[in-house]
Amino acid sequence: EVQLVESGGGLVQPGRSLRLSCAASGFTFDDYAMHWVRQAPGKGLEWVSGISWNSGSIGYADSVKGRFTISRDNAKNSLYLQMNSLRAEDTALYYCAKDSKWELPPDAFDIWGQGTMVTVSS
Amino acid sequence: QSVLTQPPSVSAAPGQKVTISCSGSSSNIGNNYVSWYQQLPGTAPKLLIYENNKRPSGIPDRFSGSKSGTSATLGITGLQTGDEADYYCGTWDSSLSAGKVFGTGTKVTVL
Repeated sequence: EVQLVESGGGLVQPGRSLRLSCAASGFTFDDYAMHWVRQAPGKGLEWVSGISWNSGSIGYADSVKGRFTISRDNAKNSLYLQMNSLRAEDTALYYCAKDSKWELPPDAFDIWGQGTMVTVSS
Repeated sequence: QSVLTQPPSVSAAPGQKVTISCSGSSSNIGNNYVSWYQQLPGTAPKLLIYENNKRPSGIPDRFSGSKSGTSATLGITGLQTGDEADYYCGTWDSSLSAGKVFGTGTKVTVL
């Protein structure tokens, strides 16, 4: 079964850090680009970051550039998002999503995880 | 905030048809493929349409997509109560930092 499972979310104070993980199974992980997409409570979808199959191309939304770092470990079939200097406006459900192709720019996202919630509050 | 504009809501009776528009510009829809996503209440988004008008395996042909110029449209025929969800368009915007953009989202209500 093709599956993405996110973990690492939680309650964190403003200015602190958090690292999200996404475990992939059921497909050849290193054949595809991967992405993080977030959704604030009651709001729409916002693309956060994407990484190509070999980590050669990486992109970030302007809202997180310089604070978040995306990475992947193809040997472990895992995607990561290191989030530093967190702000209240980063509060959201963070989804891991598989791209339909191997490179950036992003194409269709054909597999999504169930998400992990990040709450930034003092 | 989003560069892709969708109507906030559409509604119709069971069995009827609805269309959802997604309006953008030449830097996004005008020169790139559009995909559509369905988000049922409390669940993760699901890919409905890719490359403007193609359906992934398992998506019924009641769902269709089209694109013209800088706008795209999702159509749902034979509306069912299970189609009540939020729908988002998405594409790449070449004016942004290699980023994907999503539409503002449309809530479909089955009357």
